[in-house]
Amino acid sequence: DADVTQTPRNRITKTGKRIMLECSQTKGHDRMYWYRQDPGLGLRLIYYSFDVKDINKGEISDGYSVSRQAQAKFSLSLESAIPNQTALYFCATSSASYEQYFGPGTRLTVT
Amino acid sequence: GQQVMQIPQYQHVQEGEDFTTYCNSSTTLSNIQWYKQRPGGHPVFLIQLVKSGEVKKQKRLTFQFGEAKKNSSLHITATQTTDVGTYFCAVLAPKTSYDKVIFGPGTSLSVIP
Repeated sequence: DADVTQTPRNRITKTGKRIMLECSQTKGHDRMYWYRQDPGLGLRLIYYSFDVKDINKGEISDGYSVSRQAQAKFSLSLESAIPNQTALYFCATSSASYEQYFGPGTRLTVT
Repeated sequence: GQQVMQIPQYQHVQEGEDFTTYCNSSTTLSNIQWYKQRPGGHPVFLIQLVKSGEVKKQKRLTFQFGEAKKNSSLHITATQTTDVGTYFCAVLAPKTSYDKVIFGPGTSLSVIP
């Protein structure tokens, strides 16, 4: 389903460049999350937001920033990309029960 | 911080064999969730367990929450090739200002036809 969409789906960028990953949702959830997935490490939380005025750091927020432009939109920025930020990035939303709904992911490669 | 362990990391089974993955925490959990991620896909919510000793079934999948609420298991009976993927457990981090969900490292299941 397309309840949670992410753009772009794939991106190759060079070290030092600024890049923004965007996430939109139509589920009407207040809670949104950004995760990073690396092989063997599962899903690690970068940032999360429980409403438009609320932003919280997750486990691995260094080198990342976020913006919650609206209830439905939550973007992740890499101010100066580095190769070890090469990973699969997922946006997710949740209801009050914390059941997470994930977007299709963005595969980011930093060269 | 909250840590969640899953075993095994990888499991290869012959189609028709059973499969079990275990999720363990050092602290008592308020609840536990299970997700499945197909190769090339995104995690999909399977179920949430809340009560001590709770057992829930979804067709060939059986989910169990330990009596002490520190561990959980997912058992698949008679695996099929459609079961291939990575299975993650996820728990709520201890309350600070807000709760957040912490994922285990996952168990990758391969099914040999």
